[in-house]
Amino acid sequence: GDSVTQMEGPVTLSEEACLTINCTYTATGYPSLFWYVQYPGEGLQLLLKATKADDKGSNKGFEATYRKETTSFHLEKGSVQVSDSAVYFCALWGPNDYKLSFGAGTTVTVRA
Amino acid sequence: DGGITQSPKYLFRKEGQNVTLSCEQNLNHDAMYWYRQDPGQGLRLIYYSQIVNDFQKGDIAEGYSVSREKKESFPLTVTSAQKNPTAFYLCASSIDPPTGFVYGYTFGSGTRLTVV
Repeated sequence: GDSVTQMEGPVTLSEEACLTINCTYTATGYPSLFWYVQYPGEGLQLLLKATKADDKGSNKGFEATYRKETTSFHLEKGSVQVSDSAVYFCALWGPNDYKLSFGAGTTVTVRA
Repeated sequence: DGGITQSPKYLFRKEGQNVTLSCEQNLNHDAMYWYRQDPGQGLRLIYYSQIVNDFQKGDIAEGYSVSREKKESFPLTVTSAQKNPTAFYLCASSIDPPTGFVYGYTFGSGTRLTVV
């Protein structure tokens, strides 16, 4: 079945450092890909998405490009802030699916 | 504004009690989902419903029950048969499977359940 594998954490960074969280997927057909963010004690919020190959999703300084050749959707931010401390989930929705398939989540802590 | 409301935010359960977690949405979404999240863990699907009066078990349905009598509401009951219910519970909704492909889920803010 469809699945997502994302980089294990936790990840600890200093403010203004670059962040990359790797995400690769296995799917039948061409899925849509999503990144969700979960701040402490809250639900998940959609951060960005891409629905077809070579699409780039972007929001709040984060970017991810849908790479069909490498079946990847890595999340990147050039300069992180303390407020970016959260858990990040990669997810996919396949063409014939009824739900999202989530990765295990990556905890990111940004220190001042 | 449209969204999903989960209540209560914190819930305490005594051993042997059933408790019900509320999930209400005013987004006119057809599909609704319940997930469990343990500390430092990912999301595990408990139940989902794609249409009113119909629902299916997810990966960890044992010890839980749901109903979907109204499009807006998808309450989750944690029964006494669930031996380790302490967790963070998340409700989500999606327009419908074909549109979920484009838009994904909207999540509620969660209910933290603790057994005392």
